[in-house]
Amino acid sequence: AQTVTQSQPEMSVQEAETVTLSCTYDTSESDYYLFWYKQPPSRQMILVIRQEAYKQQNATENRFSVNFQKAAKSFSLKISDSQLGDAAMYFCAYRSVLTEKLVFGKGTKLTVNP
Amino acid sequence: GAVVSQHPSWVICKSGTSVKIECRSLDFQATTMFWYRQFPKQSLMLMATSNEGSKATYEQGVEKDKFLINHASLTLSTLTVTSAHPEDSSFYICSARFYAGERETQYFGPGTRLLVL
Repeated sequence: AQTVTQSQPEMSVQEAETVTLSCTYDTSESDYYLFWYKQPPSRQMILVIRQEAYKQQNATENRFSVNFQKAAKSFSLKISDSQLGDAAMYFCAYRSVLTEKLVFGKGTKLTVNP
Repeated sequence: GAVVSQHPSWVICKSGTSVKIECRSLDFQATTMFWYRQFPKQSLMLMATSNEGSKATYEQGVEKDKFLINHASLTLSTLTVTSAHPEDSSFYICSARFYAGERETQYFGPGTRLLVL
């Protein structure tokens, strides 16, 4: 079974600075998808970014980018120019092509300090 | 992006009663929806996969007679917590599978907070 590990329960960053959230996963599959979801205090899960494992190029979405290291099974999220609205729980998730189920990490709580 | 709604957003009920939670895909058809449970300060745990027109697939340890799922149309899945007890109190979240060409993404509803007294 696949597992997702987020080793940082909490992180903090100053407004306008850059922060990187870590995520590692364990799988024997060669094709899969990886996601970062944001859950603000409203608890609405919001898709931040996705990465297809077959793509070598790292995904980017405006201020959000990932560092996908397939061999190391690492999928970190970089948030540039952090804003107060970025404060939330961030969940890393793995989706198997075979089972199509999402497996979530335990989450990282990000605090943005003004 | 695709929009998924849930109703109700919160519910308080007495122990022993049943509670129905609706999950709707508002601007797309979803042949597959998922139901998750989230305890405070914890991650999302998949409960079951709901497929339109067929029986739901439950994850190990989830009682199918306790958590009834019905996916009667391409835009609606319901989760019924039968004979609810205080330990069923939790945050329930649904998601719907959305396809944009060959690209598939799960979009989540806003969640339903259930408190069983």
